[in-house]
Order: sequence, then structure tokens, then C-alpha cells
Amino acid sequence: AQSVTQLGSHVSVSEGALVLLRCNYSSSVPPYLFWYVQYPNQGLQLLLKYTSAATLVKGINGFEAEFKKSETSFHLTKPSAHMSDAAEYFCAVSPNTGTASKLTFGTGTRLQVTL
Amino acid sequence: KAGVTQTPRYLIKTRGQQVTLSCSPISGHRSVSWYQQTPGQGLQFLFEYFSETQRNKGNFPGRFSGRQFSNSRSEMNVSTLELGDSALYLCASSPGAVNTGELFFGEGSRLTVL
Repeated sequence: AQSVTQLGSHVSVSEGALVLLRCNYSSSVPPYLFWYVQYPNQGLQLLLKYTSAATLVKGINGFEAEFKKSETSFHLTKPSAHMSDAAEYFCAVSPNTGTASKLTFGTGTRLQVTL
Repeated sequence: KAGVTQTPRYLIKTRGQQVTLSCSPISGHRSVSWYQQTPGQGLQFLFEYFSETQRNKGNFPGRFSGRQFSNSRSEMNVSTLELGDSALYLCASSPGAVNTGELFFGEGSRLTVL
């Protein structure tokens, strides 16, 4: 079975500081990995995805993530936080075979950005 | 292109009642998935429909059911509501023919069970 673990349910950074949100995965087969963001009272929006091409993946709003097989990690980073980045971030995993689009989500990390 | 539309956005029910939630996917998308989001359990997969057939199912009791129509619109139904069914129910669509894992989510239907 596939799973993801997000370390830290709450992360607080100052505006302009580096954002680092951690995600480790467990999968018996090469997975697809995703980061989604959820703003208050909204659905989820895809930030970026890893599908076994380049290990460094660039997403929207200046976010990027690096797939590290040796560490089974897929951490999300952004060089400089902005107030508008405050939201909840979810790491997710999906099998890269078949046609089913089932995602298994982590428990989420709430990002707070302070002045 | 319009996004995923879910109705109603908010609803309040009492224990024992049933509820039906509706989801209209992005035009051209044939797969619709449903997720339940709660503070305690997080995001959990309910089921996925593709071309009017249930293609995948999560670990929820039989009180949770769904269906998909020929125009790809989907409904989910929860019967005999329990307090623990209070949640945000999210619908997501994808083209569906090949698994890319990329889902497009609606804003959700927030169900409160009293």
C-alpha cells in the first residue's frame, strides 16, 4: 500500500523567508507524487507533480519539489514566502499504473506567513 | 472552461436523514472522484466513477453510494446520516482515460449533521 507522511502539521515562516514543507512517501512501486494547496473554504489546487521524468519539479506560484528516491522524500520549497502563500498544503501519492486516479493524501501542513 | 461545480455548498441535516450531493465535472472529463475531508481523518477517498461505472472504491460503509450519469455528472448519497458524517465532501474530475493522477477539485459541499 502507498502512503505519505507529512512532518509538521503547522509551519510558520516570516515573509521573504524560505518555505520548506516535508513529505516522505512509502511505495512498493515507482509512484506519482503531488503537492496540492487548499485555501480557506476552497477545494484543492494542484501545485506540482512528479511523474518519473525530471527529479526537480517546478510548479505554480514559485514552488518546487525534488524527488529523492534514496531518501523517499518529496519536500516542497519556495525561496521567498509571500503572505498569499498562507494555506494548507497536502502531499499525495498515486500509483503510476492502471487508469484509476485514486490519491492517498498526507495529513496536511498548515503554512502561516508572518510579517 | 468552467471548473468543477458542486451543489449545494452548505447543508445541515439531522441524524437518520439522507443526503444527495451533486458534482458537475469539467467539460470533457469522464472521471469523477469523491473525497471526504474531516479534521480527524483528513482526506479520504470515497469512490471514482468513469463512464458511468464505479472504477475504484474506498473503505467506507455501504451507506455511502454514488452514481454517474451519461453526461459525466455525478451524485453521491449518504443514507442514515450519523454525526461522524459531518465533513467537507470534495468532488474531483479528470479526463480519466489514462492515469495521470492529476485531479481538478471543486470547492466542496460542507455537510453538518446535527
